[in-house]
Amino acid sequence: GQSLEQPSEVTAVEGAIVQINCTYQTSGFYGLSWYQQHDGGAPTFLSYNGLDGLEETGRFSSFLSRSDSYGYLLLQELQMKDSASYFCAVRPLNRDDKIIFGKGTRLHILP
Amino acid sequence: DADVTQTPRNRITKTGKRIMLECSQTKGHDRMYWYRQDPGLGLRLIYYSFDVKDINKGEISDGYSVSRQAQAKFSLSLESAIPNQTALYFCATSAPDTDTQYFGPGTRLTVL
Repeated sequence: GQSLEQPSEVTAVEGAIVQINCTYQTSGFYGLSWYQQHDGGAPTFLSYNGLDGLEETGRFSSFLSRSDSYGYLLLQELQMKDSASYFCAVRPLNRDDKIIFGKGTRLHILP
Repeated sequence: DADVTQTPRNRITKTGKRIMLECSQTKGHDRMYWYRQDPGLGLRLIYYSFDVKDINKGEISDGYSVSRQAQAKFSLSLESAIPNQTALYFCATSAPDTDTQYFGPGTRLTVL
């Protein structure tokens, strides 16, 4: 089967750095994506790693290591508005264009 | 204007009623999806469609049906609603061969 594992909750302090991990079991996929969802809102696309390594977009970075079946989202200079749920997701090879989502990590930020 | 819209945004109904949730998009995408979200369970795929004539079941299609009326419209129906279908429902679209999905604002459905 195919599955993605994330911690259910993470807590960090405003201004700090936090890393949200995602480990997966899948036979093959195109890339690892991350989505952000605020309470009451819709998921929105944050980042994509098609190749191994680090991708940086402002305060957010995402990393993928296919050999380790592992990826993470790194949030720097945390702001209160970053309080949200974060989902990792993959699009498996040869499985149409379906996306498989992890169950999400709720990020709590303390002042 | 939003690229992906859903109606209604909130709905309360009773057990046994037939309910239709509608989704429209202006992104010109062929691929459309319906997801259900429950606390702690993430996003689970109900149905997906690659064009008007191509509709496929997702992981939790039992109790649901869909209709792709046009490239821009994809509706989800609950034939006979039951309380455990109470959830947040999202429609999403994507372009072919891409990982990025664009979500509508969601419909919060409560079945009493």
